[in-house]
Amino acid sequence: DIQMTQSPSSLSASVGDRVTITCRASQSVATYLNWYQQKPGKAPKVLIFATSSLQSGVPSRFSGSGSGTDFTLTISSLQPEDFATYYCQQSYSTPPTFGQGTKVEIK
Amino acid sequence: QAQLVQSGAEVKKPGASVKLSCKASGYTFITYGIHWVRQAPGQRPEWMGWINADNGNTKYSQKMQGRVTISRDTSASTAYMELSSLRSEDTAVYYCTRDPYSSGNWFDSWGQGTLVTVSS
Repeated sequence: DIQMTQSPSSLSASVGDRVTITCRASQSVATYLNWYQQKPGKAPKVLIFATSSLQSGVPSRFSGSGSGTDFTLTISSLQPEDFATYYCQQSYSTPPTFGQGTKVEIK
Repeated sequence: QAQLVQSGAEVKKPGASVKLSCKASGYTFITYGIHWVRQAPGQRPEWMGWINADNGNTKYSQKMQGRVTISRDTSASTAYMELSSLRSEDTAVYYCTRDPYSSGNWFDSWGQGTLVTVSS
């Protein structure tokens, strides 16, 4: 199975800050990398698929980049509704696997 | 707008089985795959398996192979997941999810989740 590791595991930031989360795969996943946002008590919601494609309805302040084993999710200007946990997930091979999550908290 | 509505919470004893349902609406059921993903408290999501809603082909996590069965009823636009020989470590929220490429291994729509508690 491909192992996914995110950093940091948590971060504190203020509204308006630029936030970057990284995700590393244990082997190449090409560009088969997706990002999800999860709020407490809710199901995850896809933000970005295939490394950099924005899911319909997701604000443009979210962006993704990378290839191979190293990827980033960037929030250009953090908004109050963005405080949540973010997961990366590889869809390159079965089983699909998730990172351990990055919790974004209010500073 | 795709919607997946799951069955309600379950409490089971160790060794028992549980069967969850996931009713799809807002799209053509057989055009997409359905995955089941579970999430234990404070943990990352974990993939359990997938079904091709059109032909019924399935794939399962090796970790849960032999204990999990995924099926579907196309006439009811509903997918099912049965997990047997339950143990306390199976306590989790179970989600059904839609795969926009049928077998693309990512998830563009999620059910609301079903909490399964395994306790003696």
